[in-house]
Amino acid sequence: NAGVTQTPKFQVLKTGQSMTLQCAQDMNHNSMYWYRQDPGMGLRLIYYSASEGTTDKGEVPNGYNVSRLNKREFSLRLESAAPSQTSVYFCASSPMGTVGYEQYFGPGTRLTVT
Amino acid sequence: DQQVKQNSPSLSVQEGRISILNCDYTNSMFDYFLWYKKYPAEGPTFLISISSIKDKNEDGRFTVFLNKSAKHLSLHIVPSQPGDSAVYFCAARSANAGKSTFGDGTTLTVKP
Repeated sequence: NAGVTQTPKFQVLKTGQSMTLQCAQDMNHNSMYWYRQDPGMGLRLIYYSASEGTTDKGEVPNGYNVSRLNKREFSLRLESAAPSQTSVYFCASSPMGTVGYEQYFGPGTRLTVT
Repeated sequence: DQQVKQNSPSLSVQEGRISILNCDYTNSMFDYFLWYKKYPAEGPTFLISISSIKDKNEDGRFTVFLNKSAKHLSLHIVPSQPGDSAVYFCAARSANAGKSTFGDGTTLTVKP
């Protein structure tokens, strides 16, 4: 049982490049989330998917797109990376009420945009 | 408007003593509260939670207290251990909301 996995672990992009962060969970959870963490800023929600087939904006969605590919996978895409998107990105999943409301986080992707 | 606030960025305690981490919220619709712990270079991990119908929940060395009238919750760690040194995030959610709102975290350092 791997829990929540994220790829890649590290990435360096140049301004204007695009990339997709991958996330998968094997806990059969309904809900999945993407957060970014900047120093001293805590976790800010980018997008979330309450259930397969739905996605919603969080606090800081600008510059990002998401795809809930199936129940297991939720990807985050940066179409044209900017230095302001340098951050650590965490994916999380949650059973959301069926068992509990806690979220299970992946190990994170450290992204640097130069 | 930050709906979940952790006003102490850092806290330092001696091993064996009590650690008290505080969290305030402004949204009266929040009905479920959670604490997460985060070590450097790792994702946060769930620690303990409490529903708004309770005022206390205990799990081993960890106890969360909820004061709804004051819109305040606290996490008590007794006794504190050096391995508890981490960043602690408070989070809150409201009924039928598909997401939680997180505070900015408090860095706890437990000195041997």
